[in-house]
Amino acid sequence: GNSVTQMEGPVTLSEEAFLTINCTYTATGYPSLFWYVQYPGEGLQLLLKATKADDKGSNKGFEATYRKETTSFHLEKGSVQVSDSAVYFCALGLYDKVIFGPGTSLSVIP
Amino acid sequence: KAGVTQTPRYLIKTRGQQVTLSCSPISGHRSVSWYQQTPGQGLQFLFEYFSETQRNKGNFPGRFSGRQFSNSRSEMNVSTLELGDSALYLCASSSPGSTEAFFGQGTRLTVV
Repeated sequence: GNSVTQMEGPVTLSEEAFLTINCTYTATGYPSLFWYVQYPGEGLQLLLKATKADDKGSNKGFEATYRKETTSFHLEKGSVQVSDSAVYFCALGLYDKVIFGPGTSLSVIP
Repeated sequence: KAGVTQTPRYLIKTRGQQVTLSCSPISGHRSVSWYQQTPGQGLQFLFEYFSETQRNKGNFPGRFSGRQFSNSRSEMNVSTLELGDSALYLCASSSPGSTEAFFGQGTRLTVV
């Protein structure tokens, strides 16, 4: 079946550190891939997306590349800020369904 | 364009009661999905409605039900509330042919 696996954390980083959150997927078909972010007390917001292999999604300094050969969509940011503290969800969309990973909690300390 | 609106934002109910939550999707979106989010279980899919029909369903007991109206607004109902139903309930809408989901801010339900 279709599924998403991501590192669960929590992840704690110092401000300006490099961030990687790993995400791999299993899919029968060619999914769209998403990263969503959830700030405390709020719903999920789309952070970035990629719809086909080798596409790179980017937003607010975050990037992720759709790697079909490794079935991965790792999230990266070169220099995190305290305001990036949130929960990050990797997701795949296929055949009108969206499947979310378990989420990775990120805390950035000054 | 207005986003997804969920009402109420917060709710406190007693065990055994029932509750109805409301979700107004983005204009033009016909798909509405509901999720339950708890610290222990993460984000769990409840059900999805498209054009007033339930299209997908998660693994929840029959106490959880929903419906969608002709204007795409959706409601979910939980009957005979249990303490374990305390959670953040999130609604998301999508436009036809897209799996990109737009979320509301959620309804925080506390069962006491």
